[in-house]
Amino acid sequence: ETGVTQSPTHLIKTRGQQVTLRCSSQSGHNTVSWYQQALGQGPQFIFQYYREEENGRGNFPPRFSGLQFPNYSSELNVNALELDDSALYLCASSYNVGANVLTFGAGSRLTVL
Amino acid sequence: QQQVKQSPQSLIVQKGGISIINCAYENTAFDYFPWYQQFPGKGPALLIAIRPDVSEKKEGRFTISFNKSAKQFSLHIMDSQPGDSATYFCAASKEGNYGQNFVFGPGTRLSVLP
Repeated sequence: ETGVTQSPTHLIKTRGQQVTLRCSSQSGHNTVSWYQQALGQGPQFIFQYYREEENGRGNFPPRFSGLQFPNYSSELNVNALELDDSALYLCASSYNVGANVLTFGAGSRLTVL
Repeated sequence: QQQVKQSPQSLIVQKGGISIINCAYENTAFDYFPWYQQFPGKGPALLIAIRPDVSEKKEGRFTISFNKSAKQFSLHIMDSQPGDSATYFCAASKEGNYGQNFVFGPGTRLSVLP
C-alpha cells in the first residue's frame, strides 16, 4: 500500500504570487487534512476535505483554499503569498472523516521571498 | 483553551537512558492523545496514543502516562537509542471529527548520544 505523497517537495515563490500544492492520499483513505508547520513549531490545522467538500477549517484566511478530487487526492492553493506563509505544508489522510489516525506525507517546503 | 503545551523544547540523553517529554492541555473535551515522531525531511508518524480512561499505555520501549485530573500526559522512552533522535509532538483531539480537531504541541527535539 502506498503512503501519502506530496508535490512539489520544495518551491520558492515571491510575495504576492500564488501557489498550488498537491497531495495523493493513502490507498483506502477518503479524507484529507492540510497542516502548516512553521519552522520549530507543531503542525497547525488549515482545513479538511471529505467527499470533495471542505469539512472544517482552522484559523486561516480565505486566501488559503483547497480541492478534493473524486480519487480523494487534494490540492492546497494559497493566493497573494506573504512572507509568513513560508512553512512546511503537510497533507494527512485518514480512512474516514471520524478516524483518529492521521497518515502524513513528507510535506512541501514553501519559501516566500 | 485549544493550546497544548509541551516541554522541554530540546532534550539530550545518553544511549540507554530514559527520555521524558511532558505535555499539558486545557480543554477537558479532548479525549484522544497521540504522540507523533518526526525525522528530518519526513512527515510526522503516529508513535503511540492514549485515551483518558486509562492512566498508562506501553508499547515496547515507549510509554504514555496520563493524569486526567492534572490535564497532563507524558511520553517515556526507555533504553533510548540514537535511532530515536527525532522531534516528538504531542497532540490532542476530541471525538466527532478527529482530523479536524487535532491540536499539536510545539515539539521536542530529542538527541540520543551514542
